[in-house]
Amino acid sequence: SQTIHQWPATLVQPVGSPLSLECTVEGTSNPNLYWYRQAAGRGLQLLFYSVGIGQISSEVPQNLSASRPQDRQFILSSKKLLLSDSGFYLCAWSVLAGRVNEQFFGPGTRLTVL
Amino acid sequence: GENVEQHPSTLSVQEGDSAVIKCTYSDSASNYFPWYKQELGKRPQLIIDIRSNVGEKKDQRIAVTLNKTAKHFSLHITETQPEDSAVYFCAASGDYKLSFGAGTTVTVRA
Repeated sequence: SQTIHQWPATLVQPVGSPLSLECTVEGTSNPNLYWYRQAAGRGLQLLFYSVGIGQISSEVPQNLSASRPQDRQFILSSKKLLLSDSGFYLCAWSVLAGRVNEQFFGPGTRLTVL
Repeated sequence: GENVEQHPSTLSVQEGDSAVIKCTYSDSASNYFPWYKQELGKRPQLIIDIRSNVGEKKDQRIAVTLNKTAKHFSLHITETQPEDSAVYFCAASGDYKLSFGAGTTVTVRA
């Protein structure tokens, strides 16, 4: 069965510091991978998605970037964090089968920028 | 792109009563409509989904209906229980991306 991991689970960072969040998927090949952000009490904002190694699509222009160095690894980064970057970061995976995009979320990373 | 609207934003029901959440979508090419439940501090969990070739789907106390002509779909929870209290998100997809509604906070009163 498929498993998705995210780390760290929680993170407290000062404004202006760098960020690196990692997501890995087990038990599937060539998944579509996604990064979402959820501000406190809010909905799910799609940040990036990737349909293959090295292929990144950005949904919202901001100070974040994403990379996919391996088939089942997805990394979210920032060179300088802003206060507004605080939130719950969720990685998700899917395998597009017959144009059905069934997505499953990882456990998330709760980021607080101070 | 796809735009999904979800109503109501909050819903309070008495235990044992039914809860209904409604969503509309804009892109007629969307063909997959999942519903997620998110408990406080946890990840969203897929609870039920429906595909565009089906009008209704049921799983125990949960059912989803889809009206492709009107471009709206609904989640129905019957015989609500305290553990149904959570935030529920609808979504629509026609390609690689899911477009989510803003969420409905459901509170089941004992």
